[in-house]
Amino acid sequence: EAGVTQSPRYAVLQEGQAVSFWCDPISGHDTLYWYQQPRDQGPQLLVYFRDEAVIDNSQLPSDRFSAVRPKGTNSTLKIQSAKQGDTATYLCASSFTSGNTLYFGEGSRLIVV
Amino acid sequence: AQSVTQPDARVTVSEGASLQLRCKYSYSGTPYLFWYVQYPRQGLQLLLKYYSGDPVVQGVNGFEAEFSKSNSSFHLRKASVHWSDSAVYFCVLRGDNYAQGLTFGLGTRVSVFP
Repeated sequence: EAGVTQSPRYAVLQEGQAVSFWCDPISGHDTLYWYQQPRDQGPQLLVYFRDEAVIDNSQLPSDRFSAVRPKGTNSTLKIQSAKQGDTATYLCASSFTSGNTLYFGEGSRLIVV
Repeated sequence: AQSVTQPDARVTVSEGASLQLRCKYSYSGTPYLFWYVQYPRQGLQLLLKYYSGDPVVQGVNGFEAEFSKSNSSFHLRKASVHWSDSAVYFCVLRGDNYAQGLTFGLGTRVSVFP
């Protein structure tokens, strides 16, 4: 069974540029999460979906970050006008609604210079 | 509010020695508790989880954890570590309200040397 797939694995941007991260969850998982993990810190939830609906995006910096999951499968996290403080690894995870175990992808590492 | 505290940021241990990583949580209800491991340049992998029943749970690769409600703790142990156990270990809490998602500790970086 394929795991959670993320791309790109790495991105280096200058401040002000935009980037999109893509996530393909485990087949059949209806819940999808995006986490931000700054260096040497634990992951922090940005947003999560059940099917195509956003359940909680209260931690998403809405002015520059956006996330969609239009068909309830793959998801895209976009950062517009990146800042140095956005430097982090962006982790995607998926699970069944009825389950309590999240399965994580390998992450997309972003460096903003 | 819910929180997880891992008091040791770094632990260094000799190969073959035992390992204990501490975790304290704060949550008013009944928590789901997890330990995840993050190897270099890899994603998070589940080691073990606990919700109810026997307070000692077995995980992968010889890891086990013990839940204590009275101490609000969920410590991770391994009897004999291998160099490949070098990684960052996260204690994670999930409350009854799924909308709150997972709460991660800051992680403990384990270095195993020969």
